[in-house]
Amino acid sequence: SAVISQKPSRDICQRGTSLTIQCQVDSQVTMMFWYRQQPGQSLTLIATANQGSEATYESGFVIDKFPISRPNLTFSTLTVSNMSPEDSSIYLCSIQGAQGTQYFGPGTRLLVL
Amino acid sequence: GQQLNQSPQSMFIQEGEDVSMNCTSSSIFNTWLWYKQDPGEGPVLLIALYKAGELTSNGRLTAQFGITRKDSFLNISASIPSDVGIYFCAGQEGTNAGKSTFGDGTTLTVKP
Repeated sequence: SAVISQKPSRDICQRGTSLTIQCQVDSQVTMMFWYRQQPGQSLTLIATANQGSEATYESGFVIDKFPISRPNLTFSTLTVSNMSPEDSSIYLCSIQGAQGTQYFGPGTRLLVL
Repeated sequence: GQQLNQSPQSMFIQEGEDVSMNCTSSSIFNTWLWYKQDPGEGPVLLIALYKAGELTSNGRLTAQFGITRKDSFLNISASIPSDVGIYFCAGQEGTNAGKSTFGDGTTLTVKP
């Protein structure tokens, strides 16, 4: 399977600021996804990021809060804008593999003070 | 949207024991996936299931796609300390949709 890396691995941010998380894959992939995992919780899909088109957001998530870029088939970014303590979570990048499988990056651990 | 109920929420077992956990859905799924997440890491795919009734093994792990297509089971035989972690089921409604709905996870603790 592809190797997925995320930067930063963790960060502590002040409320009201924004953080951009990068996801890099070592091979070209069509579909990339961004998930949020709140403390002690399961994974919730934020959006699907496709190259060449706008991201598709799930219910409860909006582009103004979580703008996403997908400039090519190996890279995507997720920005968490105007952060509040409720945004403290693990943010996970994911790619679609063969036969509907999904593979995840190591995650970005965000703490907002 | 679809809901996934995963149980049990947590398990405390002795090393060497077998473990069983399951997920049920309000919707029919075409794909079931089982993941393990260690602390500080992303989920790692353990087993993927594609057909109703399918039984697939990965070492000491065995998972089954329920015949109703609304449930799945994961069994771990002869547990060892490194089995500790959170196990998630995930289901997909479409074929190759890529988008997965995740269960709430089962936290497994193995006592040596």
